[in-house]
Formats: sequence, C-alpha cells, structure tokens
Amino acid sequence: GEDVEQSLFLSVREGDSSVINCTYTDSSSTYLYWYKQEPGAGLQLLTYIFSNMDMKQDQRLTVLLNKKDKHLSLRIADTQTGDSAIYFCAETPNRDDKIIFGKGTRLHILP
Amino acid sequence: GAGVSQTPSNKVTEKGKYVELRCDPISGHTALYWYRQSLGQGPEFLIYFQGTGAADDSGLPNDRFFAVRPEGSVSTLKIQRTERGDSAVYLCASRGAGETQYFGPGTRLLVL
Repeated sequence: GEDVEQSLFLSVREGDSSVINCTYTDSSSTYLYWYKQEPGAGLQLLTYIFSNMDMKQDQRLTVLLNKKDKHLSLRIADTQTGDSAIYFCAETPNRDDKIIFGKGTRLHILP
Repeated sequence: GAGVSQTPSNKVTEKGKYVELRCDPISGHTALYWYRQSLGQGPEFLIYFQGTGAADDSGLPNDRFFAVRPEGSVSTLKIQRTERGDSAVYLCASRGAGETQYFGPGTRLLVL
C-alpha cells in the first residue's frame, strides 16, 4: 500500500540550513506536499511540487524531488526559531484523492 | 475570506457516549475531507465527500463512525459508543475546483 516515511527528529542551529528528507512508495504520486504544524495549531501547507518537476524554490524553502528514488526533501535556509514545528511530507495521485501523510519530523532549533 | 472552521475545538466525553463533530468548509468548496490525527502520528484519511455524497469512505475504521453532508456544505462526523482509542484530533479539509485541500484547526476529542 501507500506509505510515506520520514525521520522523526531533526536539531539545527539557528541560522543554519535544515534539510528534512522523505521517501514514498506510491509510484502514481503526482502531488507531493510539505505541511507545517505548530503546537496546538492546524496544518499549514508550506509548498508542493508536481511529480514532473525536480526542484521548486520559494523564498527560504527549496524542495527537491528524485522521482526515480521516490525521495523528497525540504531545505529551509537560514533557519529561525519560528521554524520550530513538525513538518509533514505527504503525497496524493491527484487532487481529488485522499492525502497520505508521513508521521512528521519535529524540527528543533538550537540557539 | 474565512477558512475551514470546526466545532467544538475540544470535546471530552466518557467511554460509550455518542459524539458529533462539525465542519464548516470554505464557502463554495464542493469537496470535503475528514482525517484523524492520533498523538505522534500524521493525519490519516477517514472519508471524502464530493457534494452531498461520500465519494470514498474507505478510511472509516468501523461502523461506529459515520459522516453526513446533507446539503453539500456543512458536514458532521458522528461517533457512536466511543472508545478510549478514538481519542485524537479530528481534522476537516475542503477543496475548491482545481485547488489543493485547506485544513481546519481540528477538534481535539478525549474519551475518558
């Protein structure tokens, strides 16, 4: 079945870059997402990439997709304390379908 | 404009009781989704409505769970004979044509 895997924790010093990695199994995935969830808050869509792209950049965020290896990464440049949150990798074959989420990576910022 | 809203924000109930969770989607959004997020997990799909009908209910865990959307707008997730394992955050999302899903803040359900 469909599965999305990501590491559970990441610690990064303030000002450094954070890289969160994710692998997925569904070869029919068309939309790949990164969501951010802060404590007690809802899910915020950060960015998404289509499977026919290999990179997308949006200000401090860079998404890289290796479709052959089914590997997705999110790079956050110049990590700030406000970036402390849980980041979910997710995928869906098309917009009508359910979204399959990973378990989330908790990003901890060190001073 | 207003986003997806969910009520109540928190619900505490006793094992065996019946609960209803409400979702108000973004105005005009025809698609509505329910997800459940247990502690330390990512959201897991429960059911998807297109208009008034359930297009995919494959994620409902058992027949204690039921959802309706009678007029194609507001949806209610109903849980009968609640169990402690039903404790979770229940998330609703809505989607307009050609768009991605927008999530509400969730209802935190605690079954004692």
